[in-house]
Amino acid sequence: AQSVTQPDIHITVSEGASLELRCNYSYGATPYLFWYVQSPGQGLQLLLKYFSGDTLVQGIKGFEAEFKRSQSSFNLRKPSVHWSDAAEYFCAVADISGGYQKVTFGIGTKLQVIP
Amino acid sequence: EAQVTQNPRYLITVTGKKLTVTCSQNMNHEYMSWYRQDPGLGLRQIYYSMNVEVTDKGDVPEGYKVSRKEKRNFPLILESPSPNQTSLYFCASSWDRGYGYTFGSGTRLTVV
Repeated sequence: AQSVTQPDIHITVSEGASLELRCNYSYGATPYLFWYVQSPGQGLQLLLKYFSGDTLVQGIKGFEAEFKRSQSSFNLRKPSVHWSDAAEYFCAVADISGGYQKVTFGIGTKLQVIP
Repeated sequence: EAQVTQNPRYLITVTGKKLTVTCSQNMNHEYMSWYRQDPGLGLRQIYYSMNVEVTDKGDVPEGYKVSRKEKRNFPLILESPSPNQTSLYFCASSWDRGYGYTFGSGTRLTVV
């Protein structure tokens, strides 16, 4: 069974500083990997996704993520954080074998941005 | 506007009183799914659907039912709600496997 680990439940960064959110996954084959963001009181929004090709993927809002198969990781990065990035971030892995789509989410990392 | 619409946004009900949370998408998506979100547990999949009349259980299906009679609608039914089903529920849809979900705004359910 697939699983996702987000080791940091809460992260605080200063506005303008760089950000890296960690994600490790467990999946037998080549994974579909995603990052979502959830602002307070909102649903989740897809930031970016990876399946194949370039291991560095670009997403919306200036985010990028790097897939490292050897480390089973898919860390999310942003060079300069804005106050509006304060939200909760979820990493997810999808199993699409057998014709279905089963998506497993991590427990989330809550990002606080301080002035 | 492309969206997933859930109703109601907030619901307080009593134990044992049947309820339905509706979900509708206007993107002609094949795949739809229900999740519940609880503090410290992240999102857990309740049920998912690959197409009309094709549904399957997720990780936490007990106490829930779904149906997919039309492509755009995927209602979640709680036939006899219990307090442990108090949670934030999200419906989501996607065009194809691996394309990522579009989520609804959520339904906060309280069962007393």
